[in-house]
Amino acid sequence: QVQLVQSGAEVKKPGASVKVSCKASGYTFTSYDINWVRQATGQGLEWMGWMNPNSGNTGYAQKFQGRVTMTRDTSISTAYMELSSLRSDDSAVYYCWIFSYWGQGTLVTVSS
Amino acid sequence: SYELTQPPSVSVSPGQTARITCSGDALPKQYVYWFQQKPGQAPVLVIYKDSERPSGIPERFSGSSSGTTVTLTISGVQAEDEADYYCQSADSSATYKVFGGGTKLTVL
Repeated sequence: QVQLVQSGAEVKKPGASVKVSCKASGYTFTSYDINWVRQATGQGLEWMGWMNPNSGNTGYAQKFQGRVTMTRDTSISTAYMELSSLRSDDSAVYYCWIFSYWGQGTLVTVSS
Repeated sequence: SYELTQPPSVSVSPGQTARITCSGDALPKQYVYWFQQKPGQAPVLVIYKDSERPSGIPERFSGSSSGTTVTLTISGVQAEDEADYYCQSADSSATYKVFGGGTKLTVL
């Protein structure tokens, strides 16, 4: 069955970067776009962008352009989302998502 | 930027019908997907392509579309349906995905 397994929780200082991984299994990794979504505590879902694992092409929400980078390593069926210049309001749970399958979420806390 | 509008909350008694709407200018051109999210859990897809139901989702969940508004209907609401519901779609060019602000369904 399809599984998306994300890396563990992170604590970062303001201004730093964070890189979250999402390891896919149960399907052909290069067949489907992977999306990234985040959710601050008590808030709604916020789409960040997508990546085509086959071509490496990406598309980012305007809010995150210039700060987010989505990459992949097809040899290990893993997608990555890196967010830079972190601020306190970037504290959230970050999810990778394809169609009906979601990762378990990665809590990123930004605090001085 | 493109937005989808949902009511913040909907309340129904058990056994009644809950309707949650989602409005957006591009909805006549783009499919809508509905997700259910319970506290501390990842979202679960309950409706895709406006009205299709994934396997394993109860028949009481249905979706419909009319112009710039789509509706998630839960017939015979059960206590276990209490959750946040999010619609998701894309802008008219399908460049950007977007989520609605979410609707908290309360089962009285």
